[in-house]
Amino acid sequence: GAVVSQHPSRVICKSGTSVKIECRSLDFQATTMFWYRQFPKQSLMLMATSNEGSKATYEQGVEKDKFLINHASLTLSTLTVTSAHPEDSSFYICSARGKGGVWDTQYFGPGTRLTVL
Amino acid sequence: SQKIEQNSEALNIQEGKTATLTCNYTNYSPAYLQWYRQDPGRGPVFLLLIRENEKEKRKERLKVTFDTTLKQSLFHITASQPADSATYLCALDKGQAGTALIFGKGTTLSVSS
Repeated sequence: GAVVSQHPSRVICKSGTSVKIECRSLDFQATTMFWYRQFPKQSLMLMATSNEGSKATYEQGVEKDKFLINHASLTLSTLTVTSAHPEDSSFYICSARGKGGVWDTQYFGPGTRLTVL
Repeated sequence: SQKIEQNSEALNIQEGKTATLTCNYTNYSPAYLQWYRQDPGRGPVFLLLIRENEKEKRKERLKVTFDTTLKQSLFHITASQPADSATYLCALDKGQAGTALIFGKGTTLSVSS
């Protein structure tokens, strides 16, 4: 099956620093990548949708200047949390969707646990 | 706005029994409904997808039903095992390129031996 990787799996940083999370589709071309955030015992909340080569579309309430998304190629998207604060501590998960097809589904990365001190 | 509910946060059953999880939704017309498994500290893993014109889908010990009139999906795990213990998420899918899944909060299943 399709594989999506995320790096790093876990990161601890000081308040005010920036953190970059990479999401890669390893064996398929991801025309669209999605970034989700999940707080403990909560659902996955969509943050933004990014299509290769174009600007990301952010969900309401998500600050685009704080969560910078770059989808430079069909296999790589990055999420940069700028000037991170403790309230940004969460589990960040990316997913990738290939080119259209009836059975096309989203494949999820293993997630990145961000802890901001 | 669309709303998706999974009937309970937690479900405890004994090994060998059938687990039944419920997913209800409102204000949405999904083309597909998907079920995922999520283990602690891990990303969701795809299990089954069922289309709006399908009533039932099976995969090994898993069975999913989809009733678009009731706006409900049922997810069954037969002959449950302790290894089935995890959080199960249902997700609505418009089935269009570029659209994201909308997830429920999940039901945490615990299977005791």
